[in-house]
Amino acid sequence: EVQLVESGGGLVQPGRSLRLSCTGSGFTFGDYAVTWFRQAPGQGLEWVGFIRTKAYGATTEYAASVKGRFTISRDDSKSIAYVQMNSLKTEDTAVYYCSRPDSPGYWGQGTLVTVSS
Amino acid sequence: DIQMTQSPSTLSASIGDRVTITCRASQSISSWLAWYQQKPGKAPKLLIYKASSLESGVPSRFSGSGSGTEFTLTISSLQPDDFATYYCQQYDSFFQTFGQGTKVEIK
Repeated sequence: EVQLVESGGGLVQPGRSLRLSCTGSGFTFGDYAVTWFRQAPGQGLEWVGFIRTKAYGATTEYAASVKGRFTISRDDSKSIAYVQMNSLKTEDTAVYYCSRPDSPGYWGQGTLVTVSS
Repeated sequence: DIQMTQSPSTLSASIGDRVTITCRASQSISSWLAWYQQKPGKAPKLLIYKASSLESGVPSRFSGSGSGTEFTLTISSLQPDDFATYYCQQYDSFFQTFGQGTKVEIK
């Protein structure tokens, strides 16, 4: 069974950093791209960024709202994708989800990031 | 970027009603469209993929149609468990965008 599990969320002060993890199981993690989404409290769903497979150079794309502050990476030996979030703002407060962009049904349960002083 | 426009934003309906939600893409996405149901505090749940394919385990009262730029989600007979927020999502490209959501409320 394909599973994606996010972790690493928590309360962080504005301007600080946090790293989220997305651990995959039930499939060959390195064969698939990974997408990150987020959902602010009471709001809709927003695409955050994406990392291709190593076969495509593990290159990344980002939403304008996070470009230059967030960095997505992957460690296929551990079946984990990361998003390093720097210079966090209060508007980054959200539940963060990872997914496999090739199959819309594969989402994790999400991890809550709260940016507040 | 492909923009997804979903309507209505809120829908009030009664048990047994037929409900239709519309999603329009700013450019053709072929059939690369998914529909999700989301309840408070939960991750989105996939209902429909590739515009009209019913996800395994999803009741047959849910159906999807459309291609290109115009898509619809229909609930043939609304049940108590269906009161939730629904989102469309295009996955034609890596930059996957969502509609604004439709909240289905009890009338």
